[in-house]
Amino acid sequence: DGGITQSPKYLFRKEGQNVTLSCEQNLNHDAMYWYRQDPGQGLRLIYYSQIVNDFQKGDIAEGYSVSREKKESFPLTVTSAQKNPTAFYLCASSIGGLGETQYFGPGTRLLVL
Amino acid sequence: GQQLNQSPQSMFIQEGEDVSMNCTSSSIFNTWLWYKQDPGEGPVLLIALYKAGELTSNGRLTAQFGITRKDSFLNISASIPSDVGIYFCAGQLGGSQGNLIFGKGTKLSVKP
Repeated sequence: DGGITQSPKYLFRKEGQNVTLSCEQNLNHDAMYWYRQDPGQGLRLIYYSQIVNDFQKGDIAEGYSVSREKKESFPLTVTSAQKNPTAFYLCASSIGGLGETQYFGPGTRLLVL
Repeated sequence: GQQLNQSPQSMFIQEGEDVSMNCTSSSIFNTWLWYKQDPGEGPVLLIALYKAGELTSNGRLTAQFGITRKDSFLNISASIPSDVGIYFCAGQLGGSQGNLIFGKGTKLSVKP
């Protein structure tokens, strides 16, 4: 079955620690995205990538980093510079670029210890 | 930035009732998408609309792309307890190459 997987489901971060969230898709989609969701708020775009080895900052990129070495994978690192990392993180992908229908993974909840 | 106004923010209804929610903007959109998010899960695409005036159904769900291209509504008929969740609209601004803009969601609660 094709789809998007995210791991882990829950992640705990200590102060000053970097953590990496995994996102994999086997839909053969070109574009991938990372969003942050806080309670009662809509989705905010962190980073996106329209093609392998290329990615762009979204609206709230500070404190985050990404890589796109393979079409199937778009990991997100939450760095120690992100002072308020507790949130629900969603990965998505689309066949083509920006504006196309996006399909979401199941999400990773990040909590700070 | 560009705004998508989604309403209502939340709804409490009785099982069996029909539900209606909408998204509006002062700007024209190329596409309208409707997603449902269950607690602790990612949003799932319900309906995608690509043409002004388009009316599309998916089971008990019906959505329309407004004729002015500035709004869209989603109706759920004969609600059941598993309809509980947050419903998001999203769309791409007309004439732009930009990313989807998401509404803030409508939280639906259904009383059995």
